[in-house]
Amino acid sequence: EVQLVESGGGLVKPGGSLRLSCAASGFTFSNAWMSWVRQVPGKGLEWVGRIKSKTDGGATDYAAPVKGRFTISRDDSKNTLYLQMNSLKNEDTGVYYCTTVQPTATQLFDHWGQGTLVTVSS
Amino acid sequence: DIVMTQSPDSLAVSLGERATINCKSSQTVLYSSNNRNYLAWFQQKPGQPPKLLIYWASTRESGVPDRFSGSGSGTDFTLTISSLQAEDVAVYYCQQYLGSPPTFGQGTKVEIK
Repeated sequence: EVQLVESGGGLVKPGGSLRLSCAASGFTFSNAWMSWVRQVPGKGLEWVGRIKSKTDGGATDYAAPVKGRFTISRDDSKNTLYLQMNSLKNEDTGVYYCTTVQPTATQLFDHWGQGTLVTVSS
Repeated sequence: DIVMTQSPDSLAVSLGERATINCKSSQTVLYSSNNRNYLAWFQQKPGQPPKLLIYWASTRESGVPDRFSGSGSGTDFTLTISSLQAEDVAVYYCQQYLGSPPTFGQGTKVEIK
């Protein structure tokens, strides 16, 4: 059974940083493309970014609102996905979900973690 | 970006009755090279993450009851719950995964009348 467990959320001031983690199990993590999706109050679901598997090059893609501020990385030896968030803004507040990406459709999110809440406020 | 618009924003349906949710995309999500519609439906119950119900517009994810069905092509899609059960109370989202970035509809809340 696929399991994704996010951690690292919390309260941070505008301009601050936070690193989220996602521990994966139940599938071959090193072969999987992974994504982060956030749920922002009043704005619904929003894709944050994606990382390919290392065998597919390991490249990352980001949504425009977070590009240059957020970085996705992975540690296949630990079956863990990361989201480094810098220069945080109030509008980054939301629940952040780690997701797997379906192999046949690289922007389709087939398994989701429970999410971790990030609150950006002074 | 492709904008996804759902209607209605909410609906109340009696137990056992049909619920229908519509989703319209601002551009086609039909990929001509493989004739597939890059459209998915998710269900989100309170306090839970979204759950994938349907992809390729009409393919049910494993384990999803057959009362859930998806239809449509191009820019207009429908999710139908043929006989609403109490456990179907949730918010439903459509998502396109053809264009980048992938985008979601605003959600439709389904309640019991």
